[in-house]
Amino acid sequence: DADVTQTPRNRITKTGKRIMLECSQTKGHDRMYWYRQDPGLGLRLIYYSFDVKDINKGEISDGYSVSRQAQAKFSLSLESAIPNQTALYFCATSALGPSSQETQYFGPGTRLLVL
Amino acid sequence: QKEVEQNSGPLSVPEGAIASLNCTYSDRGSQSFFWYRQYSGKSPELIMSIYSNGDKEDGRFTAQLNKASQYVSLLIRDSQPSDSATYLCAVIRSGGSQGNLIFGKGTKLSVKP
Repeated sequence: DADVTQTPRNRITKTGKRIMLECSQTKGHDRMYWYRQDPGLGLRLIYYSFDVKDINKGEISDGYSVSRQAQAKFSLSLESAIPNQTALYFCATSALGPSSQETQYFGPGTRLLVL
Repeated sequence: QKEVEQNSGPLSVPEGAIASLNCTYSDRGSQSFFWYRQYSGKSPELIMSIYSNGDKEDGRFTAQLNKASQYVSLLIRDSQPSDSATYLCAVIRSGGSQGNLIFGKGTKLSVKP
């Protein structure tokens, strides 16, 4: 089984709808992240969480909200979807290792189309 | 100036050749550097991390870091068609954690049989 899973893998929705993307991990990591990837713009951080009680905005948090329901679960919500939120969304996890070094591990991604 | 810059490519090399991928960054205090590989439609996968000046080798991959020049590169020896992918350079801003991981836009590599 995959260590980091995302649901749904693909989603088509209409402008104005509320949608939620979910991420679960079995790696036991404390830290979780949400990114979006757009052609020509690369990966950009939306929100991140270092533990269940810690939520931080990333580079492009406007229009998004998150919930860290448990150590293993981190959800991303679009309260009122708009077409420019059409993108590929990735969840990632990491843990602080020796010498404060850490590596992010990515989920398979959710492809979102907002009409 | 963009924080992490890469040539978008495509970089085309023949099978068996050395592929050289380059990345520059703007934050002089950055201490942690990563190379991720991303196949089309798939998620990024870490292939190398480097924290100290010099070279770090792992199999066919060598990462090179020069903090004075704010430059990090990835060499792929004996390139294979399966290496065809987009390679993402990522840097942690000075004083930051993985919450401050900044990605370049990636270089597309094509290895021709």
